Amino acid sequence: QLQLQESGPGLVKPSETLSLTCTVSGVSMMTSSYYWAWIRQPPGKGLEWIGSIYYSGNTYYNSSLMSRVTMSLDTSKNYFSLKLSSLTAADTAVYYCASERIGMFDSWGQGSLVTVST
Amino acid sequence: IVLTQSPATLSVSPGERATLSCRASQSVSSNLAWYQQKPGQAPRLLIYGASTRATGIPARFSGSGSETEFTLTISSLQSEDFAIYYCQQSNNWPQFTFGPGTKVDVK
Repeated sequence: QLQLQESGPGLVKPSETLSLTCTVSGVSMMTSSYYWAWIRQPPGKGLEWIGSIYYSGNTYYNSSLMSRVTMSLDTSKNYFSLKLSSLTAADTAVYYCASERIGMFDSWGQGSLVTVST
Repeated sequence: IVLTQSPATLSVSPGERATLSCRASQSVSSNLAWYQQKPGQAPRLLIYGASTRATGIPARFSGSGSETEFTLTISSLQSEDFAIYYCQQSNNWPQFTFGPGTKVDVK
């Protein structure tokens, strides 16, 4: 059974860079069946797709966040990562990692709340 | 592509039918999914390809529509179905967008 788990700091200062990791279990990330995605949700608001990465390392980012986002993965250790730079309070959100197949997000991590504040 | 969901809140009694709408600003063919989210939980995939139920989703959930108009129907609401429902399009892959959500609460 595919499972995902986010990890990272809960508090980050404005202008700094957020770094989150998603550990995948139950399936090898080397499989061509999945893309691996980050999605966020500000408190009390809706969902926003941040980006996706394929096992080959190909990345696809939300055009509105592209200038600040970097995703990477380590298939040997079965995890992928998100970096989001130049943070502001508007980046405060629950960050989810998820598996993506044929355009749908079929498995999700439990989410990691990141607060941007001094 | 912008997704609009209506109503924003739907008040329904247990056992009643709930009908949720999702409208796309341009055609997304059948590349639309529905998710359920309960407080403090991650979203759960319910429907993909506009009408195919995901693994383990009860038959009381059904999806229909194509192009720009989509509907999620819950035939007989159970207590565990009170939640927020989001639609999501993947027609202009790899740029995905979600709708703002419809909250289904107890009447």
